[in-house]
Amino acid sequence: SYVLTQPPSVSVAPGKTARITCGGNNIGSKSVHWYQQKPGQAPVLVIYYDSDRPSGIPERFSGSNSGNTATLTISRVEAGDEADYYCQVWDSSSDVVFGGGTKLTVL
Amino acid sequence: QVQLQESGPGLVKPSQTLSLTCTVSGGSISSGSYYWSWIRQPAGKGLEWIGRIYTSGSTNYNPSLKSRVTISVDTSKNQFSLKLSSVTAADTAVYYCARGSYYYDSSGINDYFDYWGQGTLVTVSS
Repeated sequence: SYVLTQPPSVSVAPGKTARITCGGNNIGSKSVHWYQQKPGQAPVLVIYYDSDRPSGIPERFSGSNSGNTATLTISRVEAGDEADYYCQVWDSSSDVVFGGGTKLTVL
Repeated sequence: QVQLQESGPGLVKPSQTLSLTCTVSGGSISSGSYYWSWIRQPAGKGLEWIGRIYTSGSTNYNPSLKSRVTISVDTSKNQFSLKLSSVTAADTAVYYCARGSYYYDSSGINDYFDYWGQGTLVTVSS
């Protein structure tokens, strides 16, 4: 089965840049999607197809994907960005796969 | 604006069948390149995909749950449903319904979840 590996936690000071990684075997050949989940709420799509932003998502959110690592980058981090972030791909052997999630803490 | 709303019992006894329904509003469940999924999340843990249904009725399930899962669709009511049989405490989770947006290419399906329900907590306990 296909496995996506995310760091359990990332901490960043307000105004700085946060980078959350999602590792997987040859993930660069797949489309990666990212979700933000705040406590008690449903996940929200923030990046799809590696780097596209849905309408309403700030330009501060961006994504990249190459080799064995996909990255969600949040620039000029705000307190409101504090949340859990999940990556997701489709794999021919596992179907829909989610990463384990990363808790972003804004210091 | 598409909206999804889960409904169903919040408490299910062990060995019984969990049944949930998702009602879609703001658009037809039959239109566009979409499928409809169930995803769950145990307290304090990550997301687990349960399965999907296309409006044609075709389904795919998470291999780890496949023997216990049935997803169905009622296009006349703009609803789709989940049944999970022989539940145990390990099935206690928040259950989300979601819309999957997809296209196919040479590598397979490219899909993501663009609309989610608010989630409903199902507890398995006697």
